[in-house]
Amino acid sequence: NSKVIQTPRYLVKGQGQKAKMRCIPEKGHPVVFWYQQNKNNEFKFLINFQNQEVLQQIDMTEKRFSAECPSNSPCSLEIQSSEAGDSALYLCASSRRVSNERLFFGHGTKLSVL
Amino acid sequence: GDSVTQTEGLVTLTEGLPVMLNCTYQSTYSPFLFWYVQHLNEAPKLLLKSFTDNKRPEHQGFHATLHKSSSSFHLQKSSAQLSDSALYYCALASSSFSKLVFGQGTSLSVVP
Repeated sequence: NSKVIQTPRYLVKGQGQKAKMRCIPEKGHPVVFWYQQNKNNEFKFLINFQNQEVLQQIDMTEKRFSAECPSNSPCSLEIQSSEAGDSALYLCASSRRVSNERLFFGHGTKLSVL
Repeated sequence: GDSVTQTEGLVTLTEGLPVMLNCTYQSTYSPFLFWYVQHLNEAPKLLLKSFTDNKRPEHQGFHATLHKSSSSFHLQKSSAQLSDSALYYCALASSSFSKLVFGQGTSLSVVP
C-alpha cells in the first residue's frame, strides 16, 4: 500500500472555482513532486519541493497554481481558477533525495471540472 | 532537453508469450533510467532502475538493459502473465537532476 497519502481521492469543481488537493509524503522524504496525468495517461511535471523550498516549476504552475509544502503540515496544490482542461489525475510523489532517486507515488486526486 | 520515447501506445499479448516494451531516450548526460508500472486504480510504483555498473536489473520476472550506444532501456519478460496487464512508463532522471521525465506510457493487455 502507498505510504504517500493524497486527499481527497475525487474532487468535482465548476469552471472558475478553486480546487485544492493535499499530500502527505512518506515519512523521512524531504522531496515532493506533483505530476498531472491526463486522460491519455501522459505525465506532466508541475512542481517539486525540497523541504519547503520550490526546486522547479513549469510556467502553468507558476501562473495558475498555488503550491506549498509547509513544515509539519501536508503539502498542497491549489488551482486558483479551474478550467475544463485541468480535469486530470494529480499525482503526488516523494523521495529521499533530489537526484536519481526512485519516487514513491500516492494514489492521486482525480479532478473533474464541469 | 531530456526526453523519453515509448513508441507503443497499446500492446496486446497472449498469456505465455514474451514481452518487450520499447524505450529510447535523449539526454546530454549519462542518465539513470527507470520503469514504473501502474495497475488500474493504483499508484504508479517502481519496477526497475538502471545500474551504473552495467548490471541488468530484474524484478518480478522483468528485466531491462541500458544500452548507451543506442540510448535504449527496453523492458522484457520471457512469459507474460494476466496480472502483468497495466500501464508501463519509462522515465529518465533529468540532467537538471531534480525531476523524472516520463515517456508517454505503454498499456500492456495480456489476454488468455
